Amino acid sequence: NAGVTQTPKFQVLKTGQSMTLQCAQDMNHEYMSWYRQDPGMGLRLIHYSVGAGITDQGEVPNGYNVSRSTTEDFPLRLLSAAPSQTSVYFCASSRGGSGNTIYFGEGSWLTVV
Amino acid sequence: TQLLEQSPQFLSIQEGENLTVYCNSSSVFSSLQWYRQEPGEGPVLLVTVVTGGEVKKLKRLTFQFGDARKDSSLHITAAQPGDTGLYLCAADGDSNYQLIWGAGTKLIIKP
Repeated sequence: NAGVTQTPKFQVLKTGQSMTLQCAQDMNHEYMSWYRQDPGMGLRLIHYSVGAGITDQGEVPNGYNVSRSTTEDFPLRLLSAAPSQTSVYFCASSRGGSGNTIYFGEGSWLTVV
Repeated sequence: TQLLEQSPQFLSIQEGENLTVYCNSSSVFSSLQWYRQEPGEGPVLLVTVVTGGEVKKLKRLTFQFGDARKDSSLHITAAQPGDTGLYLCAADGDSNYQLIWGAGTKLIIKP
């Protein structure tokens, strides 16, 4: 079972560059989300989607775009990378909202120099 | 603003000792979850509690949801090195799809 798959695992970007973090899940989950994790701050929600064609902003959406053209895929785009976006990014999926098990990918370590 | 405060932030103990970590808030939640995250991996769900006063056991781990559904605790009996990790609590936020996350307790069990 693949679960939630994220790529790349590691990436170094220069300030101003753009890139896309890929995320795919094979569990037919409607709900997908992107988090960033920084030391001492827990997980912060960037964007989420409750189904194909539907996305919404989370707690820290600035500088990021998402789209959800299929149930399986939920890519996260960094428009113009900044050092403040250096972080670990996690994609997650679940069957529904609160109370449901959230399945996380293994994470993408991004450094912006 | 709803907040989940976890304590302690960091705990390092010897194998075989017992420990308790806490997840506290001033808000009432309909459900609360505990996740464990090992280095280099994503968080993995340990338990979901939904009823005030509920106690759930997972081998040597005991989870309790406060009577008022504002707080929760995780007790580990006879800790082992395999229990090492970051323990995160999460609860339902204002939106059905946005969880509130605690900052985590980093637990190290020394052999």
